Amino acid sequence: DVKVTQSSRYLVKRTGEKVFLECVQDMDHENMFWYRQDPGLGLRLIYFSYDVKMKEKGDIPEGYSVSREKKERFSLILESASTNQTSMYLCASQGHTSSYNEQFFGPGTRLTVL
Amino acid sequence: SQQGEEDPQALSIQEGENATMNCSYKTSINNLQWYRQNSGRGLVHLILIRSNEREKHSGRLRVTLDTSKKSSSLLITASRAADTASYFCATPNQAGTALIFGKGTTLSVSS
Repeated sequence: DVKVTQSSRYLVKRTGEKVFLECVQDMDHENMFWYRQDPGLGLRLIYFSYDVKMKEKGDIPEGYSVSREKKERFSLILESASTNQTSMYLCASQGHTSSYNEQFFGPGTRLTVL
Repeated sequence: SQQGEEDPQALSIQEGENATMNCSYKTSINNLQWYRQNSGRGLVHLILIRSNEREKHSGRLRVTLDTSKKSSSLLITASRAADTASYFCATPNQAGTALIFGKGTTLSVSS
């Protein structure tokens, strides 16, 4: 079974801090994704990556950056956290680029920015 | 926005009843997927239906797709308390590189 893990289930940070959210998948998947989930807004795509060192902006990239130095690891970075980035962050992976392929999700990181 | 919309937003039923939730989307697609999310957890893939399919079954799940109406429905038969979760439909973006998720239907099944 595919396993996608995220570094923290819960995280509390202060405004202005630099925040790293880590995601690791163990199935040699090419594609990885970061979403944020907010009540009433559903899942919104922040960034995705289809290869090492490659990244594509999603629908809401502002205030975020990403890093993919190794195939199994995809990091989401909040350069200067703000209270409006308080949210549930979900990482997902996908075997390769095909709209027919399902995505496998990690358990999520609930980030609170004070 | 290309985002799909689920209907209803929330649904409460008794164990043993059937649950039906609907999804509408805006652009032409080649497939539609349904996912489940248990409270505070990640999403789990349930089923994929291709654009040339009208109906698909998986256990107690039945999915229909009407491309002329740009809509899909997910039916869960003989619901159990363990089916309590949020359900999302997802469609490919125009480039086929990512999925666009709807806002979800929250299902509550009471015993």
